[in-house]
Amino acid sequence: AQSVTQLGSHVSVSEGALVLLRCNYSSSVPPYLFWYVQYPNQGLQLLLKYTTGATLVKGINGFEAEFKKSETSFHLTKPSAHMSDAAEYFCAVSEVDSNYQLIWGAGTKLIIKP
Amino acid sequence: SQTIHQWPATLVQPVGSPLSLECTVEGTSNPNLYWYRQAAGRGLQLLFYSVGIGQISSEVPQNLSASRPQDRQFILSSKKLLLSDSGFYLCASSDRGHTDTQYFGPGTRLTVL
Repeated sequence: AQSVTQLGSHVSVSEGALVLLRCNYSSSVPPYLFWYVQYPNQGLQLLLKYTTGATLVKGINGFEAEFKKSETSFHLTKPSAHMSDAAEYFCAVSEVDSNYQLIWGAGTKLIIKP
Repeated sequence: SQTIHQWPATLVQPVGSPLSLECTVEGTSNPNLYWYRQAAGRGLQLLFYSVGIGQISSEVPQNLSASRPQDRQFILSSKKLLLSDSGFYLCASSDRGHTDTQYFGPGTRLTVL
C-alpha cells in the first residue's frame, strides 16, 4: 500500500533562511502529489500540487516543490522564511485506485526563529 | 473554488452525550465529502468519505457515524461520546478527479470531559 513519509515532525529555521520540508512516497507508479498548509486552529489550504508536466511546481506564498521520480520525492522549499510561514505542512498523494482519497503524511511543524 | 462551512466552531460535551456536527458545501455539485479528525499532536485521520447521497464509507471502526442527507450536506454524529473522541474535526470536499484539490472547512474543536 502507498505510504507517505515526512522527515521531521518539527523543523526550525531562522527568519530569512531557506525552508526545506521533505516528503517521500512509496509507490513505484508516480502518483499525484500535494502539499497543504494548516495554520493554528484552522482548516487545511492547498499550497501546490503536481499532476503532470513540469516537475517544478510553484505554489502560493513563495513555496515551490520538485517532483523527482528517481528519488520518489516531492520536497517543499522556500528561499527565504517569513514569520508568517509558521504552520504545519502536510504532504499527500492520490492514486488512481484510491477511491479519490488522499494518503497523508504525518505533517511537519515549521518553526520560524526571529 | 469550493467553500466549506462547519459548525459549531468549538464544542465542549460531557462523556456519554450525543454529538452532531454539520458541514455544508458551496460552489460545486455532487462532490466527494470527507470527515477527518486530528487528535492533539497527531496527523489527519480519515473517518468517513462519501461519493453520493446516502453513500458512506467508514475508514475506522468507532462510535461515530456519518450521514449525507443532501448532495452538499455531511453530518457527523455520535450517540454517546467517549473521552477519546476529543479532537479537531475537519470536513473536506473535492470534485471527482484524482488530481482535484480537497477543500477544507474551518474545523470544529471538540472537547469531551
